[in-house]
Amino acid sequence: RKEVEQDPGPFNVPEGATVAFNCTYSNSASQSFFWYRQDCRKEPKLLMSVYSSGNEDGRFTAQLNRASQYISLLIRDSKLSDSATYLCVVRSYNAGNMLTFGGGTRLMVKP
Amino acid sequence: DTGVSQDPRHKITKRGQNVTFRCDPISEHNRLYWYRQTLGQGPEFLTYFQNEAQLEKSRLLSDRFSAERPKGSFSTLEIQRTEQGDSAMYLCASSTNPNIQYFGAGTRLSVL
Repeated sequence: RKEVEQDPGPFNVPEGATVAFNCTYSNSASQSFFWYRQDCRKEPKLLMSVYSSGNEDGRFTAQLNRASQYISLLIRDSKLSDSATYLCVVRSYNAGNMLTFGGGTRLMVKP
Repeated sequence: DTGVSQDPRHKITKRGQNVTFRCDPISEHNRLYWYRQTLGQGPEFLTYFQNEAQLEKSRLLSDRFSAERPKGSFSTLEIQRTEQGDSAMYLCASSTNPNIQYFGAGTRLSVL
């Protein structure tokens, strides 16, 4: 079983739609949580950190449920430019400085 | 461009050959990481340097792989006796904080 699991998608949504991605992690020692975005054939880039109380950045909302070891990302009012792969990422205090990535969820926003 | 720079961007080699990749981190970033990414998967951690010291190595890093960061600035990743299974994107990242890592565009390796 992978340490960070995501539905690979693709999620095909029309512009303006709201879409949600989920992610589960298995290491209970996980302490820091992130969503990264990766465009096709490009490097991953940090989208947002995920805090225990949940946090919002414009159209993006991230939630963390430590009890269920579950992370979510909600994108409201989808734009064509949101089309990308969204990577769920954790860092665990018993795993040093490495980031552990999920396999990614692909989003395609269509006109 | 003051981001993480990787060279070459693409490398095609024959099985059994040695290859070396270079990573130039963002200036003053003391932390440097190597990851490997295959199609449809997320990046997988390979190794971590703090300044010139290699502090962490993944079990993925077989003895055919070696990485260096001799002066605490740029880093090299060498793969000896390449195998077809080594074909992947090799990503370098740098940071001052392990939670926020900045990635380079990667070196895509194809082993024929």
